[in-house]
Amino acid sequence: SQKIEQNSEALNIQEGKTATLTCNYTNYSPAYLQWYRQDPGRGPVFLLLIRENEKEKRKERLKVTFDTTLKQSLFHITASQPADSATYLCAPTTGGGNKLTFGTGTQLKVEL
Amino acid sequence: DVKVTQSSRYLVKRTGEKVFLECVQDMDHENMFWYRQDPGLGLRLIYFSYDVKMKEKGDIPEGYSVSREKKERFSLILESASTNQTSMYLCASSNPSALTDTQYFGPGTRLTVL
Repeated sequence: SQKIEQNSEALNIQEGKTATLTCNYTNYSPAYLQWYRQDPGRGPVFLLLIRENEKEKRKERLKVTFDTTLKQSLFHITASQPADSATYLCAPTTGGGNKLTFGTGTQLKVEL
Repeated sequence: DVKVTQSSRYLVKRTGEKVFLECVQDMDHENMFWYRQDPGLGLRLIYFSYDVKMKEKGDIPEGYSVSREKKERFSLILESASTNQTSMYLCASSNPSALTDTQYFGPGTRLTVL
């Protein structure tokens, strides 16, 4: 069956450092992989989407990579700030009007 | 910007009560979804709908039903609330024409069943 793995342990980093979050998937051949941010008590918010034929995608301080051979996506936040503290969810998808399956998310805490 | 609203942010109900959670989206999306989210379990899909009056079961439909009479509105119904349905409920919508399945979420309803 399809499986998505994100590190369930919280990631604690210092302000200004680069945070790197991992999303691994199995039994999937996604055409897209999406990353969402979720703040406590709120709904997830879409951040970035990367296509299977893209190795890397950037948006401001965010960078996402997608390795279809390793079946892995990495999500980087450079120059991290306390305001980046949140839970980050990944969702690989085949696209085409389907439902999404989300990873359980990784909590990021950026400390001063 | 897509806006998805949910009828309540917080709700407290008693065991056995019938509970209605309402979700409205303003972007003419065909697809709408209901999830529940519990610590350590992530987002779990309850029901989804591809069109008006259409519904499909998700991963955990037991104890729930849904209604979609209008394109913009998707309701989740707990026929007889139980304490194990205490959870955060999240509604989302998506546009299948966009092909990427990106979902837009509402703010969530934290339901407590006593």
